Amino acid sequence: GQQLNQSPQSMFIQEGEDVSMNCTSSSIFNTWLWYKQDPGEGPVLLIALYKAGELTSNGRLTAQFGITRKDSFLNISASIPSDVGIYFCAGQLTALSGGSNYKLTFGKGTLLTVNP
Amino acid sequence: SAVISQKPSRDICQRGTSLTIQCQVDSQVTMMFWYRQQPGQSLTLIATANQGSEATYESGFVIDKFPISRPNLTFSTLTVSNMSPEDSSIYLCSVDLGIDLGDTQYFGPGTRLTVL
Repeated sequence: GQQLNQSPQSMFIQEGEDVSMNCTSSSIFNTWLWYKQDPGEGPVLLIALYKAGELTSNGRLTAQFGITRKDSFLNISASIPSDVGIYFCAGQLTALSGGSNYKLTFGKGTLLTVNP
Repeated sequence: SAVISQKPSRDICQRGTSLTIQCQVDSQVTMMFWYRQQPGQSLTLIATANQGSEATYESGFVIDKFPISRPNLTFSTLTVSNMSPEDSSIYLCSVDLGIDLGDTQYFGPGTRLTVL
């Protein structure tokens, strides 16, 4: 089955630093999603990417859908303490075919710690 | 997005018993999903629950262990049956709002289950 490799597993950074994390896949996805999960909460959608090569920003967050459709990265600029949490990438095969193609495949997550 | 609630938010149960988790959405959605997140792990899809049809289970998950109901377009339940300590996890429901709203999945806050 499809697998996502997400790296790094964890990051310890100082407040104000920029952060970058990425996901690679053994197969193609048509949608890439980035979520953040705080302790005791469900994942919250940060950015959705629908087109190969697409670069999308959401405040201090920027994500790109790789041109090969097999990878994506998320950048966080000027980190702040509330950026702490686990970041997950997720790939979706297609949004159009229905059935099991709606299934999300998740990376293992990147634990981000920000030191004030 | 959608407002998704889950009940209970957490529970501690004895082995051999069953727990039913409820998921309520504030709008009508066709596709709902149930995920399991084992401690320190990523999210794994248990099943897809579409209103008006039987739930579709992923490899490794069976209806006898995780029966699902989907009586209408705003509600679903997942039952964890004959529980063992290995079932201790966070159980999350998610919804797909459809192609007009980006066809991405939004998650509930999760139900944290501990089995003794």
